[in-house]
Amino acid sequence: DAKTTQPTSMDCAEGRAANLPCNHSTISGNEYVYWYRQIHSQGPQYIIHGLKNNETNEMASLIITEDRKSSTLILPHATLRDTAVYYCIVRVYSGGSNYKLTFGKGTLLTVNP
Amino acid sequence: DAGVIQSPRHEVTEMGQEVTLRCKPISGHDYLFWYRQTMMRGLELLIYFNNNVPIDDSGMPEDRFSAKMPNASFSTLKIQPSEPRDSAVYFCASSTNRGANQPQHFGDGTRLSIL
Repeated sequence: DAKTTQPTSMDCAEGRAANLPCNHSTISGNEYVYWYRQIHSQGPQYIIHGLKNNETNEMASLIITEDRKSSTLILPHATLRDTAVYYCIVRVYSGGSNYKLTFGKGTLLTVNP
Repeated sequence: DAGVIQSPRHEVTEMGQEVTLRCKPISGHDYLFWYRQTMMRGLELLIYFNNNVPIDDSGMPEDRFSAKMPNASFSTLKIQPSEPRDSAVYFCASSTNRGANQPQHFGDGTRLSIL
């Protein structure tokens, strides 16, 4: 199973871009990278996912390196409400047409005023 | 649209008692997942269902834990008998398999305390 490595914590100033790195050096060719976040006392929230192309949605951008061994989640204008634990996950094949997510420790992003 | 609904939100009970956690997935979703979160072990997948059939229960800690999905709109996770080490936040999530790579949508969890 591909594993991910993330920094334990990061700080960001409000209004600035938050760039959250993730290493997944053992990822295989057909495995997707997913990002979720968890705000205190809430369930995890899906942010974005990608395979090899950069992706953007209303929440964030995902930049995946050409060799796919790492990626960066970008929150373009962080707000205080973006303070959360951010999880980078490589989706794991679970047999048949089934997949599952294995959550690591994630990165605690603190957005400061 | 209503999201994943879990009940109860909080449960406090004494060890040895039976505990039943409930989940209503998003309508039309084919997959349902049960997770457990603790400070020590983080967020762990316990079991998941596809079209009401259990697919992978390798994360279920022991025989005291059981999960059922009698129909597409309801699932239960039962612990009998409960122990203090079962104290955790239990999350339910659902997703659709219509189209590739659909994300999981999580409920707000049940905070379980076993005394």
